Amino acid sequence: NAGVTQTPKFRILKIGQSMTLQCTQDMNHNYMYWYRQDPGMGLKLIYYSVGAGITDKGEVPNGYNVSRSTTEDFPLRLELAAPSQTSVYFCASSYSYLGEASYNSPLHFGNGTRLTVT
Amino acid sequence: AQSVAQPEDQVNVAEGNPLTVKCTYSVSGNPYLFWYVQYPNRGLQFLLKYITGDNLVKGSYGFEAEFNKSQTSFHLKKPSALVSDSALYFCAVRDSRGNNRLAFGKGNQVVVIP
Repeated sequence: NAGVTQTPKFRILKIGQSMTLQCTQDMNHNYMYWYRQDPGMGLKLIYYSVGAGITDKGEVPNGYNVSRSTTEDFPLRLELAAPSQTSVYFCASSYSYLGEASYNSPLHFGNGTRLTVT
Repeated sequence: AQSVAQPEDQVNVAEGNPLTVKCTYSVSGNPYLFWYVQYPNRGLQFLLKYITGDNLVKGSYGFEAEFNKSQTSFHLKKPSALVSDSALYFCAVRDSRGNNRLAFGKGNQVVVIP
């Protein structure tokens, strides 16, 4: 089982460049998330999606954009990279049955993308 | 908004000794509590959760956690630590009132000394 797959694993960007972090899941999960992890800060939610065509902002959305055209894919776009976006980015997914909130569902994480902006 | 505190940066324990990783939370409604573990260069892996019912929850790899409503705590425990338990541990909480977001603590590095 592939689970949640993220590409690339590593990337170095120059200030002002743009890139897309790819995320795909094969578990038919309806919820998908993007987090960033900074040392000593835990995980911060950037954006999330409750299903294809629906996205919403998390705690730290500035400088990022997302789309969800299919159930499987949830790419994260950085338009004008800044040093403050140097971080490790994790994509995650979870499943919520119809009529039930996803409160009970654990998240399944990808292995992360380590991004450096210089 | 929901929040989690993990007061210790690092927990050192000798192999074979009991392991405890502390977590306290703050919510306005009922808490839904989770523990995750992260090994080097990997994503987080789910260990266990408390939703309702028995305050002692058992999870993967011999870990368990105890929910204490009066102390708003959800400490992770393992009776006998292994060197392979060395990792970063995250506590997380959702609030039954609000936006369904999962709030993570900053994480605790656990080092098990052979």
